[in-house]
Amino acid sequence: AQSVSQHNHHVILSEAASLELGCNYSYGGTVNLFWYVQYPGQHLQLLLKYFSGDPLVKGIKGFEAEFIKSKFSFNLRKPSVQWSDTAEYFCAVNGRDFGNEKLTFGTGTRLTIIP
Amino acid sequence: GAVVSQHPSRVICKSGTSVKIECRSLDFQATTMFWYRQFPKKSLMLMATSNEGSKATYEQGVEKDKFLINHASLTLSTLTVTSAHPEDSSFYICSAVGQGWHGYTFGSGTRLTVV
Repeated sequence: AQSVSQHNHHVILSEAASLELGCNYSYGGTVNLFWYVQYPGQHLQLLLKYFSGDPLVKGIKGFEAEFIKSKFSFNLRKPSVQWSDTAEYFCAVNGRDFGNEKLTFGTGTRLTIIP
Repeated sequence: GAVVSQHPSRVICKSGTSVKIECRSLDFQATTMFWYRQFPKKSLMLMATSNEGSKATYEQGVEKDKFLINHASLTLSTLTVTSAHPEDSSFYICSAVGQGWHGYTFGSGTRLTVV
């Protein structure tokens, strides 16, 4: 079975600070990895995804994530956050077995940016 | 890009009644659709996976007689909450995967309130 852990439940930062949100997954095989963002009152939006290739993935709005296979991690980063980044962030994993399209989410990290 | 339309966005119903939520893929054929439930300040919990033309596969602990899922066509899946009770109040989200599988597309969610 696949699982995802997000250890930071609530992160509070000032504008212009750097951000790193942790994500670790558990799965015995090859995985696809995702970060989604949910702004207050809105639906999930895909920030970025990793399927294969370069482990450093760049997404929208200046976000990036690095897949470190040896650490089973896919941490999300942004060098300088803005007030508009205040949202809930979800890491998700899909074990890439044939026929398995199930997407498992982490518990989410609430990010609050102080102006 | 791929778009999934989910209706209604909000619904209030009386306890004991049934509510149907629709999820449509607008510009692609959704071979697989997923239904999630999101509790306040919590992550998304996968309820069931449905493939077009076959019975849905429910996650452990999800009552299939209470949450009826129909995926009759490649563009439409419905979730019916039968005999709804206040504890069924939640945010329900669908997502879809198309042929070729390039990732998940999420609907905008349905806020169900049972009074």
